[in-house]
Amino acid sequence: AQSVSQHNHHVILSEAASLELGCNYSYGGTVNLFWYVQYPGQHLQLLLKYFSGDPLVKGIKGFEAEFIKSKFSFNLRKPSVQWSDTAEYFCAVDDYKLSFGAGTTVTVRA
Amino acid sequence: NAGVTQTPKFQVLKTGQSMTLQCAQDMNHEYMSWYRQDPGMGLRLIHYSVGAGITDQGEVPNGYNVSRSTTEDFPLRLLSAAPSQTSVYFCASSPSGQGSEQYFGPGTRLTVT
Repeated sequence: AQSVSQHNHHVILSEAASLELGCNYSYGGTVNLFWYVQYPGQHLQLLLKYFSGDPLVKGIKGFEAEFIKSKFSFNLRKPSVQWSDTAEYFCAVDDYKLSFGAGTTVTVRA
Repeated sequence: NAGVTQTPKFQVLKTGQSMTLQCAQDMNHEYMSWYRQDPGMGLRLIHYSVGAGITDQGEVPNGYNVSRSTTEDFPLRLLSAAPSQTSVYFCASSPSGQGSEQYFGPGTRLTVT
């Protein structure tokens, strides 16, 4: 199974700042890539996914992610965060089994 | 639709006790799975099922049993609880395994003393 690395354990931002969360996986081949988000007190839910095609994918709430095959990376971005983006974010990679990264806690200060 | 439901939400066990965490889904999904979430380790797959009557081990199966007698239900059994099993447990379902979105339940927070 894949090993998934998320580079930041905890990110603290002010509102309107830009956000980028790194995600790398361990080896190539055909993979499906996901970002999930867990808002405080809520279920994990899908933020966006990449299966094939355009490597820049857009998700809910203004998030986007870029798949760079040569770097085995799938980084998440948002140009301007809001207080409501405070959550834990998980990158996940699916080749034959779904593997999650350790998660990044994002705290947005008003 | 209720989606994926889990009971109980919280549980405290003593070492050596056994219990079953319940998971049910009403979306007619074939694929169901159990994860545990520990600080700094993300979600790790315990067991999964690709359909009724079929289960398989994930990354961390030791100390846990599962069965899948119906499409809807996928209970997780702790055979003899240990402090190392203190964690948050999530059940998930999806229409198929590889490549499809997982729908998660609200989680069960388990403490083993």
